[in-house]
Amino acid sequence: EDQVTQSPEALRLQEGESSSLNCSYTVSGLRGLFWYRQDPGKGPEFLFTLYSAGEEKEKERLKATLTKKESFLHITAPKPEDSATYLCAVTYGQNFVFGPGTRLSVLP
Amino acid sequence: GAVVSQHPSRVICKSGTSVKIECRSLDFQATTMFWYRQFPKQSLMLMATSNEGSKATYEQGVEKDKFLINHASLTLSTLTVTSAHPEDSSFYICSARKGLAGPYEQYFGPGTRLTVT
Repeated sequence: EDQVTQSPEALRLQEGESSSLNCSYTVSGLRGLFWYRQDPGKGPEFLFTLYSAGEEKEKERLKATLTKKESFLHITAPKPEDSATYLCAVTYGQNFVFGPGTRLSVLP
Repeated sequence: GAVVSQHPSRVICKSGTSVKIECRSLDFQATTMFWYRQFPKQSLMLMATSNEGSKATYEQGVEKDKFLINHASLTLSTLTVTSAHPEDSSFYICSARKGLAGPYEQYFGPGTRLTVT
């Protein structure tokens, strides 16, 4: 069964405490994997697109990586303003499916 | 850039009335737009895909007669919730896809909070 999962469901970090979020997928014919950030009451904000295993993208404190089965979003020295829900999504065939998200809280 | 707007951002309506939500791509042409629904603390659920000039494709379980979608131009799609009921209260988000092929990024609007009383 095609599936997209994310872990952990929720994560609390102290400011400066680096960590990683996971997005695992079991789909056939992956065309792309996307990371979005969503703040409460707002639409998702596009962060990264990854297309093939081994690919990496970076933006400020965030770095996304992709393997054949999963993607990681690494957050280095997070700040309170990084608190949000991080969503991954995959596209395969004509499908575009979101994972359930990871709610990140960064405490000052 | 890739900016998508939605209007209104919040709407409260009475049960039985209809509500129209607009989604616009402001700085690019979007041949395909998508409508999602999101419940509190849950991820986005795709409702329908709309292509400019053609009928929308609805996901399984979504009532096409209740959620009317029109994509009349390359920059505007509308979602009309007809005969709204309290269970239709939700956060509705649209997105737009740039281009016809290649990168499949979707750019999202800020969402519309619908409350049906």
